[in-house]
Amino acid sequence: AQTVTQSQPEMSVQEAETVTLSCTYDTSESNYYLFWYKQPPSRQMILVIRQEAYKQQNATENRFSVNFQKAAKSFSLKISDSQLGDTAMYFCAFTITGNQFYFGTGTSLTVIP
Amino acid sequence: GAVVSQHPSWVICKSGTSVKIECRSLDFQATTMFWYRQFPKQSLMLMATSNEGSKATYEQGVEKDKFLINHASLTLSTLTVTSAHPEDSSFYICSARDFGQDMNTEAFFGQGTRLTVV
Repeated sequence: AQTVTQSQPEMSVQEAETVTLSCTYDTSESNYYLFWYKQPPSRQMILVIRQEAYKQQNATENRFSVNFQKAAKSFSLKISDSQLGDTAMYFCAFTITGNQFYFGTGTSLTVIP
Repeated sequence: GAVVSQHPSWVICKSGTSVKIECRSLDFQATTMFWYRQFPKQSLMLMATSNEGSKATYEQGVEKDKFLINHASLTLSTLTVTSAHPEDSSFYICSARDFGQDMNTEAFFGQGTRLTVV
């Protein structure tokens, strides 16, 4: 069975500080794709960053970066220089075939001014 | 970038009536679309996989006669909540991938539909 676990239901961070959101997953597949999605109050799901499991190099997108540990099945998201607009629910997800996406339960992040 | 449009954004209906939600891929063809349900402060729960030209595949516990899915074209899937009841009130989200792209292509999500049954 494919599962995604986000152990932090809620987190907060001061504006301009750095925060790390945790995600672990379980799959017996060796090749898959990992994503972090953001869902702001508007409820529109927005892709934050993606990582191919066969790539060892951690993905980065501006202020967002991941720490991908394949052996540990861990895929954490680091947000640097947090901004008020980063306040949102963050979902970790992965897909094997590109068909079905498996989502974690989400982490509600609040950036405090 | 690829866009998925979902309509309506919100709808209020009377108990016992049916509601149709549309999901369109605007600039790519989607042979498969996905319908999710999201309860407040919870994750997305996959309801069904909509397949163009064939029957949808429903997840365990999802009533296929209640949640009718039609995927008549490569750019449109519809979800009809039949004989709606207050417990069907929820946020429904569709998503689609451009299967002409690589496997790591993100899934694009519609804006979601907030359904309230009164």
